[in-house]
Amino acid sequence: GNSVTQMEGPVTLSEEAFLTINCTYTATGYPSLFWYVQYPGEGLQLLLKATKADDKGSNKGFEATYRKETTSFHLEKGSVQVSDSAVYFCALSESDTDKLIFGTGTRLQVFP
Amino acid sequence: GAGVSQSPSNKVTEKGKDVELRCDPISGHTALYWYRQSLGQGLEFLIYFQGNSAPDKSGLPSDRFSAERTGGSVSTLTIQRTQQEDSAVYLCASSWDRGSYEQYFGPGTRLTVT
Repeated sequence: GNSVTQMEGPVTLSEEAFLTINCTYTATGYPSLFWYVQYPGEGLQLLLKATKADDKGSNKGFEATYRKETTSFHLEKGSVQVSDSAVYFCALSESDTDKLIFGTGTRLQVFP
Repeated sequence: GAGVSQSPSNKVTEKGKDVELRCDPISGHTALYWYRQSLGQGLEFLIYFQGNSAPDKSGLPSDRFSAERTGGSVSTLTIQRTQQEDSAVYLCASSWDRGSYEQYFGPGTRLTVT
């Protein structure tokens, strides 16, 4: 079946450091790919998405590119802020129902 | 406008009791999803509604779990004879239609079975 694998956390960075959170997927067909974020005490929010190969999703300085050849969707940000501290989930959407298959989540902690 | 709402926000129940969890999706959203977030299992899909029908119930963990949706709006997830392993945060999400891809999540119901 379809699955998502993402790097385990926590990821601990200083403010203004470069962030990469790795995500790879296994899927039949051509799923859409997502990054969701869960800030402390808040619900899940869509951060960015990409619906086909080579698409780049971007939002709030975060970027991820849908790489079909490596089945990856790594999340990057050039300069993190303390306010980016949260849990980040990579997910894919199955094409028949749009249900989301999530990775295990990666906690990011950014210190001043 | 109003987002997805869920009630109750917290529920503590004794093992063996039945519980009902409610989800109010964003008005006009035809697709509705239930997920469960637990320490051991991460975020996992439970059931998907399109309108009032549930074409995908594949994530329901046992026959103690059931869900319905009425009027193409409110949905209720029922867990019968609760067990300690049912303790989790139950999340509801809705989207405009299938194919629109973006799902909007509610704040969740934290269920604790003692």
